[in-house]
Amino acid sequence: QVQLQESGPGLVKPSETLSLTCTVSGGSISSYYWSWIRQPAGKGLEWIGRIYTSGSTNYNPSLKSRVTMSVDTSKNQFSLKLSSVTAADTAVYYCARVVKSVNAFDIWGQGTMVTVSS
Amino acid sequence: DIQMTQSPSSVSASVGDRVTITCRASQGISSWLAWYQQKPGKAPKLLIYAASSLQSGVPSRFSGSGSGTDFTLTISSLQPEDFATYYCQQANSFLGLTFGGGTKVEIK
Repeated sequence: QVQLQESGPGLVKPSETLSLTCTVSGGSISSYYWSWIRQPAGKGLEWIGRIYTSGSTNYNPSLKSRVTMSVDTSKNQFSLKLSSVTAADTAVYYCARVVKSVNAFDIWGQGTMVTVSS
Repeated sequence: DIQMTQSPSSVSASVGDRVTITCRASQGISSWLAWYQQKPGKAPKLLIYAASSLQSGVPSRFSGSGSGTDFTLTISSLQPEDFATYYCQQANSFLGLTFGGGTKVEIK
């Protein structure tokens, strides 16, 4: 079955760019939307954005100015870049597959903790 | 942004109890609503989509209802594995998907 795995640095310095990759295994990345979602410790979930395998994107308006998503279908991967990070960006970051017809997230990665600190 | 308000924020219940969680949207979202279950240290799990459709593999004791602005997740007979935090998510627009604040179901 399809599985997702996030990877990337667990520690990022303030003002720098957070970069994460999600690898899709057990199925093709093609013809799906894929999202990033984050969760600060002890808090709720925040949708960051989505990308289609064509490269088309939609971002959370509150993060739009700092977010870039990309997809590499040859590697079955998609990526997140979040620029100018602060301590408020410290969170567990999840990648997830979007069920296009209902805009829900049916498959999630296990999540990766990213801490912003000098 | 469409704001999602869940209530209660926490509920204490016993095994076998019927538990109801509500979610209210700040504007109408038709049936564009999903529910998730999250256990500590784990990713959320999709339970319900399109307000009332049960995700494959999810026990039938979970059900969802509602449309417009008011939605409900019901667990008909709480099981030990159901103690978790539950989130609603509006799925109406990718201009801004939003989640509710969560409801923690605790053991009474």
